[in-house]
Amino acid sequence: DAEITQSPRHKITETGRQVTLACHQTWNHNNMFWYRQDLGHGLRLIHYSYGVQDTNKGEVSDGYSVSRSNTEDLPLTLESAASSQTSVYFCASSRTVTGGTDTQYFGPGTRLTVL
Amino acid sequence: KQEVTQIPAALSVPEGENLVLNCSFTDSAIYNLQWFRQDPGKGLTSLLLIQSSQREQTSGRLNASLDKSSGRSTLYIAASQPGDSATYLCAAISPPGGGSNYKLTFGKGTLLTVNP
Repeated sequence: DAEITQSPRHKITETGRQVTLACHQTWNHNNMFWYRQDLGHGLRLIHYSYGVQDTNKGEVSDGYSVSRSNTEDLPLTLESAASSQTSVYFCASSRTVTGGTDTQYFGPGTRLTVL
Repeated sequence: KQEVTQIPAALSVPEGENLVLNCSFTDSAIYNLQWFRQDPGKGLTSLLLIQSSQREQTSGRLNASLDKSSGRSTLYIAASQPGDSATYLCAAISPPGGGSNYKLTFGKGTLLTVNP
């Protein structure tokens, strides 16, 4: 069955370190998204991509970067981790259908702690 | 900027009760509206997707309605069960154009507890 996976599921790192969170989907979806989920803020969009070589900033993109070199993967990089980036990170994907978009499918999440 | 609000933030009901969860959005020019379920420590599972041209969608005991003109959506759960206990989130999907194609704006969710 097609799926979307994230790794690692849990990560503890130190302030200032570079961290990369992986997202891999086998749906062959064009669209991929990264969100963070925090108490009191809900889910907020970090970056998104509508296809290979395409990336766009979301509402909370500062301190994060993504690259899309193939359809299946959208890794999220924290250039210099900060304690404010402690959060649960979700990756999602969706296909583009004629005239619109289809359901977004979410990965299981990565819990990141920055000490 | 789209803002999505869900009321109530938490709801506790006895098993078997019918219930309604509310979602409101500020920009009625949405493309779709989607309802998700999130179990503790888990990712999001899509429940229902309502296209902007539709008024409602049904799946089993779940029924979601959409009224774009008033900026509201409701999720109706019939004959609730303890297994329905979870956080329910709604998300408004932006229309194409302006660099924000297919972007979801989430509400903060309603935490539902169904007591046996």
